[in-house]
Amino acid sequence: KAGVTQTPRYLIKTRGQQVTLSCSPISGHRSVSWYQQTPGQGLQFLFEYFSETQRNKGNFPGRFSGRQFSNSRSEMNVSTLELGDSALYLCASSKPRTSGGLSTDTQYFGPGTRLTVL
Amino acid sequence: QKEVEQNSGPLSVPEGAIASLNCTYSDRGSQSFFWYRQYSGKSPELIMFIYSNGDKEDGRFTAQLNKASQYVSLLIRDSQPSDSATYLCAVVFDMIKAAGNKLTFGGGTRVLVKP
Repeated sequence: KAGVTQTPRYLIKTRGQQVTLSCSPISGHRSVSWYQQTPGQGLQFLFEYFSETQRNKGNFPGRFSGRQFSNSRSEMNVSTLELGDSALYLCASSKPRTSGGLSTDTQYFGPGTRLTVL
Repeated sequence: QKEVEQNSGPLSVPEGAIASLNCTYSDRGSQSFFWYRQYSGKSPELIMFIYSNGDKEDGRFTAQLNKASQYVSLLIRDSQPSDSATYLCAVVFDMIKAAGNKLTFGGGTRVLVKP
């Protein structure tokens, strides 16, 4: 089974530009979450999409947005890029599972997109 | 602010020994707990999840959960140089499933296994 794929793998942009990152989840997974990883802040949750709806959102400014399509593929967009947006952007997909009466979704990460803002 | 805390390390372990990693979390209502391994320059890779008190074993890895004390640990038996990586603890805090699937991560513990 193919894993989570993310494109592009590397991006270099300048301040003020905007960028769109893409994520294709594992087949059959309907939830896609986005995370930002930096050396200073670690891994931080951006948002989650399920069935084309944003289900959860982290504490990031409105410059960060996303969407999900009917085939569960997701995109995230960052507008007006700042130097501090340089990071590894990770996408994770999951599908609901129930075990022992509890629902727990296991998230599988893609390889990430390394964004550098100059 | 719901938090997950880990010792940043590095945790230096001789080859063949047991590596013991700890993680504490702030919300007593947390249900789901995950351990990920991340090699330098790579994305996190799921090792295992646990949601019931006690131990869960998978190969050389054992996760231990103690909800009363709000900690989860990971033991790596017979540590190998290939286990050298950063280990991330992650928690889903929200008890309401409809609230979503947000993972809150600790800062990670760097493990170095020396031959």
